[in-house]
Parts: sequence; C-alpha cells; structure tokens
Amino acid sequence: EVQMVESGGGLVQPGGSLRLSCAASGFTFSTFWMGWVRQAPGKGLEWVANISPDGSDKYYVDSIKGRFTISRDNAKNSLYLQMNSLRDEDTALYYCARGGAYLDHWGQGTLVTVSS
Amino acid sequence: DVVMTQSPLSLPVTLGQPASISCRSSQSLVFSDGNTYLSWFLQQRPGQSPRRLIYKVSNRDSGVPDRFSGSGSGTDFTLKISRVEAEDVGVYYCMQGTHWPHSFGQGTKLEIK
Repeated sequence: EVQMVESGGGLVQPGGSLRLSCAASGFTFSTFWMGWVRQAPGKGLEWVANISPDGSDKYYVDSIKGRFTISRDNAKNSLYLQMNSLRDEDTALYYCARGGAYLDHWGQGTLVTVSS
Repeated sequence: DVVMTQSPLSLPVTLGQPASISCRSSQSLVFSDGNTYLSWFLQQRPGQSPRRLIYKVSNRDSGVPDRFSGSGSGTDFTLKISRVEAEDVGVYYCMQGTHWPHSFGQGTKLEIK
C-alpha cells in the first residue's frame, strides 16, 4: 500500500525555520517525482514544489522561491521541505504527494503555524 | 504562470441529478509529449487529504465510480457526475501539471440541496 507520512510541523515565529519530512513506503520511491502542496486555513489547495526522482530538478511556486528548499534522500525513502524566513502567510496544512505532472497519492498533512 | 479558473464556485445539487464543473486554463495544457496533464481532485472534508479522481483529462482512477467523467481539450475542461450521491459532497479542484509552476483551480463546493 502506498503511504506517505508527514512530520515536522508546529508553531514558529515569523522569520523562523522549520524542516518538514515525508516518509514514503509501499512503492519504489527513487523512481517517482515527489511534491508538496499546502492549504491555508479555509482556503484552497496551493502547489508548492516538486522534485525529480534523482533530485536534480526542482520547481517552486514564486511565493516561496529563495526561502524554501525541497530535497530528498532516496536511501531513506524520504522527502523534505526546508522552510526559512517563514511568514504569517505560510501558515497552512502541508501535504506530501507522489507525482509530478499528476499527484496520485497524498499524505495526511502536517500543520505549520507561523505566529508571534 | 498558468491560471486555472473553475466555475461555478458553489454547486447545490439534488440527489440523483447530474452535476458539471468547468475548469479553464489561461494557456493550453497540451504538453510537448502530446499529453494534457489536467487532473481532478475531491476533498471531502476540510483537513482531509484530497483524492485524485481523474488524470490526463479523462482517465478515472482505480475505485472511482463510473458516474464521474472528465472531458475537454486545450484550455477548456469539464468534470461531470451523472447522478450525484451523498458521498460526492465536498470541494472539487482541477490541477494543471503541464507548465511550471503547477497550479490548482479555486475549488468548487458541491453540496446537496
């Protein structure tokens, strides 16, 4: 069974940092694009970032460029999102998802709250 | 960047009646490989993970009832439900995966009248 479990969310002050993790299982992680999608409270889905199977290609939504970094460790079947210089508007439920052009499996999400 | 525009944003439907959601993109979603990377998702409850229903415009995911169908081409796409059931309630999103950055529509909230 394909499964993704996110962790690392929490409460952080504006300007702070967090590192989200996504542990994947049930498929050959190293052969799939992976991504992050977020959903602010009461809002719609926002695509955040994607990374290619070998980690060489990375794409980001404009609002996080220069602040967030997506990465992966294929030996550990894990996906990461390093978030720096966090802003109030980054408050959201962050989902890990399998796929690039189309996201076929999603985790349950981890909540990030940016507040002083 | 590609803007995805859904309509309507709210869709009250009587049980057993059909429903249709439109999704329009600001650019053609045909990729250089000839595929069109347009997907549909349903988020049944706030905070619940979205579930993919349709990929590449018209391909139903495993386990998705055949009352759901996707169609369209280029910049205009439609999700249709032939007969709405109670379990279909939630917010529907289209997503384009052709152009970076990828993007979602605003969402269409389907409710039972």
